[in-house]
Amino acid sequence: AQKVTQAQTEISVVEKEDVTLDCVYETRDTTYYLFWYKQPPSGELVFLIRRNSFDEQNEISGRYSWNFQKSTSSFNFTITASQVVDSAVYFCALSEARENTGFQKLVFGTGTRLLVSP
Amino acid sequence: GAVVSQHPSRVICKSGTSVKIECRSLDFQATTMFWYRQFPKQSLMLMATSNEGSKATYEQGVEKDKFLINHASLTLSTLTVTSAHPEDSSFYICSARTSGGMTYEQYFGPGTRLTVT
Repeated sequence: AQKVTQAQTEISVVEKEDVTLDCVYETRDTTYYLFWYKQPPSGELVFLIRRNSFDEQNEISGRYSWNFQKSTSSFNFTITASQVVDSAVYFCALSEARENTGFQKLVFGTGTRLLVSP
Repeated sequence: GAVVSQHPSRVICKSGTSVKIECRSLDFQATTMFWYRQFPKQSLMLMATSNEGSKATYEQGVEKDKFLINHASLTLSTLTVTSAHPEDSSFYICSARTSGGMTYEQYFGPGTRLTVT
C-alpha cells in the first residue's frame, strides 16, 4: 500500500527565514510520481511540482527547491527567504504509474500548515 | 493550462435533501475524473474514480448509494450527495485527467464547500 507521511503538522517562521517541509513516502512500485501542492486559504490546490521515480535530480524554481532521495524515500521541499504569501497548507502526494492502465490515484499526506509572519 | 471548474463553489442545504456538484473540464476532454473529500484541517481523501461512460469506482468505506457519481460526457462529471446529513459537510474537490496516454498531472477544480444544516 502507498503511504505519504508529513510529520510536521504546523510550522511557524518569520519572514525571510528558510523553511523545509518534510515528506516521506512508502510504495512497492518501482515507477511512481511524487507531487507537491499548495493550498491557500481559498482552498484551491496549486500544483507546484511533479517528480518521477527515475529522476533524482534536485530541482530549483525561484525560491522553491526540492530534494528527492530515494535511499530514504523522502521528497523534501524548501522555501528560501519565506514570504507572508507563502502561508498555506502544503501537501505532498504520491501516485503509481502503470503502463496499461495509465495514471493512478493520488495519495496525499496529511499536509503541513506553514505560517509566515511579518 | 488546463482548466477545471466546479459548480457551485459553495452550497448550504438542509439535512435530508440532496445536492449536486458539477465538475467540468473547460478546455480538454477528460476520460477520467476523480472526486476527493477534505474535512476541515485534514487531508484530501479520494472518494471515487469516474470514467466516462462507465460506473464509478468507489474507494473502500465510501457509500456509492449516498454519493452518486455520473460521468456522462468527456467534459462533465457530477457528484450527488443524497439525503445529506451534517456529517457530510466537507470540501469536495474534483480533478480531471486528459484522455489518452499516461498523464501524471491532475488538473484540480477549485472545490465546493458543502454545509449541511
